[in-house]
Amino acid sequence: ETGVTQSPTHLIKTRGQQVTLRCSSQSGHNTVSWYQQALGQGPQFIFQYYREEENGRGNFPPRFSGLQFPNYSSELNVNALELDDSALYLCASTPGGHGSEQYFGPGTRLTVT
Amino acid sequence: GENVEQHPSTLSVQEGDSAVIKCTYSDSASNYFPWYKQELGKGPQLIIDIRSNVGEKKDQRIAVTLNKTAKHFSLHITETQPEDSAVYFCASHPPGATNKLIFGTGTLLAVQP
Repeated sequence: ETGVTQSPTHLIKTRGQQVTLRCSSQSGHNTVSWYQQALGQGPQFIFQYYREEENGRGNFPPRFSGLQFPNYSSELNVNALELDDSALYLCASTPGGHGSEQYFGPGTRLTVT
Repeated sequence: GENVEQHPSTLSVQEGDSAVIKCTYSDSASNYFPWYKQELGKGPQLIIDIRSNVGEKKDQRIAVTLNKTAKHFSLHITETQPEDSAVYFCASHPPGATNKLIFGTGTLLAVQP
């Protein structure tokens, strides 16, 4: 176990709705990254948070947004859900410094109908 | 853009045999190469990694080799066991101030008892 937890485990939403996913990073890890993993694919980087600010983003539209809190936990928010947003959403925490080891949580399985 | 190619997509071996998975990355400035094991319904688990200043790293039955000139890196698993069955992902860390990883498309390894 990595010590990274995510909630909920899975959820089902309707197209057009909004969703919030949560992540608690491993103790002492101040950087959290979010990834989207479509079925049968590798994870794709959404964005990264460090010291409560977004400091890196992949090729995802602005309707994907996030937050990081003083205790380093994080949220991923997705607005105006589309069918293609159905995926496993993973967060990964890092002890600090870019290029450091990333430890993933178990993920949240989102299904959009 | 940055890209990681991974082969083969599926690999079936007999228990006790060796398994080799190969990856090629596109950005020659990439400096960190982790390997993850993902079991069904779980998040990716970091199993071994290598940095660009090292050519080979070994941890018990697992080893990773890196050829910077050819932009290739490989995972070697010796004396495979049924519990090694999973999807394996390679990844590269391109230069930059984030922890963004570029993942390969995964290899489904099946170890037959």
